Amino acid sequence: NAGVTQTPKFQVLKTGQSMTLQCAQDMNHNSMYWYRQDPGMGLRLIYYSASEGTTDKGEVPNGYNVSRLNKREFSLRLESAAPSQTSVYFCASREGVLNEKLFFGSGTQLSVL
Amino acid sequence: GDSVTQMEGPVTLSEEAFLTINCTYTATGYPSLFWYVQYPGEGLQLLLKATKADDKGSNKGFEATYRKETTSFHLEKGSVQVSDSAVYFCALAYDKVIFGPGTSLSVIP
Repeated sequence: NAGVTQTPKFQVLKTGQSMTLQCAQDMNHNSMYWYRQDPGMGLRLIYYSASEGTTDKGEVPNGYNVSRLNKREFSLRLESAAPSQTSVYFCASREGVLNEKLFFGSGTQLSVL
Repeated sequence: GDSVTQMEGPVTLSEEAFLTINCTYTATGYPSLFWYVQYPGEGLQLLLKATKADDKGSNKGFEATYRKETTSFHLEKGSVQVSDSAVYFCALAYDKVIFGPGTSLSVIP
């Protein structure tokens, strides 16, 4: 009964390094999302995938790329990390669109030095 | 574009006080509206939702009514408890889900 699984839980990068955050859900959900949470700014949508095979930009997509690998998996890539990308990242999923609630992963704490 | 605005916090109330947290939205279409809550050290949980104009969502004594004419979805509770201390997020949803900045609530005995 895993739900939404994110890896890693913690990561420290140096400026300019790259990394991929992994997210997988086992609830057969169609829609998946990546957010970042910063103090006083709530959750800001980075990218989302409303269905397998589609991805769209959210509110703050610059500096990120995503891949919807299959229905279960949705990864977030930082090609060249910057200190401004220090944040807590959450992956979320839901069955469809409009009415269903989001299910969240436990988050990844990322620090870019 | 779509956005959500919430009253700034932190909000500090005494136990049994009445709570209102204001939420207004800007939307290009007709979204569903949600309130999520984040308790200290935990992830976000759905508190309540409303899917169309004039719908009222309710849960655990909290209520919010979808007001299309004022583009608002204010959260209310008649009598708060210490256990309600948390951060509250208003959100709108189509295929994407956009959150407001959150309002921190502290309830003191």
